[in-house]
Amino acid sequence: AQTVTQSQPEMSVQEAETVTLSCTYDTSESDYYLFWYKQPPSRQMILVIRQEAYKQQNATENRFSVNFQKAAKSFSLKISDSQLGDAAMYFCAYRSARGGGADGLTFGKGTHLIIQP
Amino acid sequence: DSGVTQTPKHLITATGQRVTLRCSPRSGDLSVYWYQQSLDQGLQFLIQYYNGEERAKGNILERFSAQQFPDLHSELNLSSLELGDSALYFCASSSTGTWDQPQHFGDGTRLSIL
Repeated sequence: AQTVTQSQPEMSVQEAETVTLSCTYDTSESDYYLFWYKQPPSRQMILVIRQEAYKQQNATENRFSVNFQKAAKSFSLKISDSQLGDAAMYFCAYRSARGGGADGLTFGKGTHLIIQP
Repeated sequence: DSGVTQTPKHLITATGQRVTLRCSPRSGDLSVYWYQQSLDQGLQFLIQYYNGEERAKGNILERFSAQQFPDLHSELNLSSLELGDSALYFCASSSTGTWDQPQHFGDGTRLSIL
């Protein structure tokens, strides 16, 4: 079974600075998708960014970018120019391509991101 | 707004009872997923339906069941409730249910067992 590990239970960053959240995963598969979801205090789960394992180019979405290291099984999220609205729990998630994806997402335990004004 | 609608938002009930959580997927999405978020277990995948058929099972207890109806809405039934079933239950939907399609989450149903 795949596992996703987020080793930072909590991170704090000054507003306007850059922060990187870590995620590692364990899998024997070659095709899969990785995701970062954001969960603000409202408890919604919001998709931030996603990365296909067979794409070498790192995904970016505005201020959010990832550093995907397939050999190291690492998938970190970088948030540039942090804003107060970025304060949330961030979850890293894995989805297998095996069986056409007949499976759900496997989530890490999450990282609580605090933005200091 | 993700377009996924979950009702009710909050549910309070007692041990031993049965409840039904409802989910309407985004317009055009054929696949529905259910997840449970609890303090001790984190976010766990429960079950997936695609166009009315069960497609995948995760860590779903035998006391729990789900179905997807012809209009594509889904219901998660929880029975013989225990204190440990208190959690936030999310429904998510995707267009085809394949691995490359992102899942869009509803706002969740907060279930409290007293």
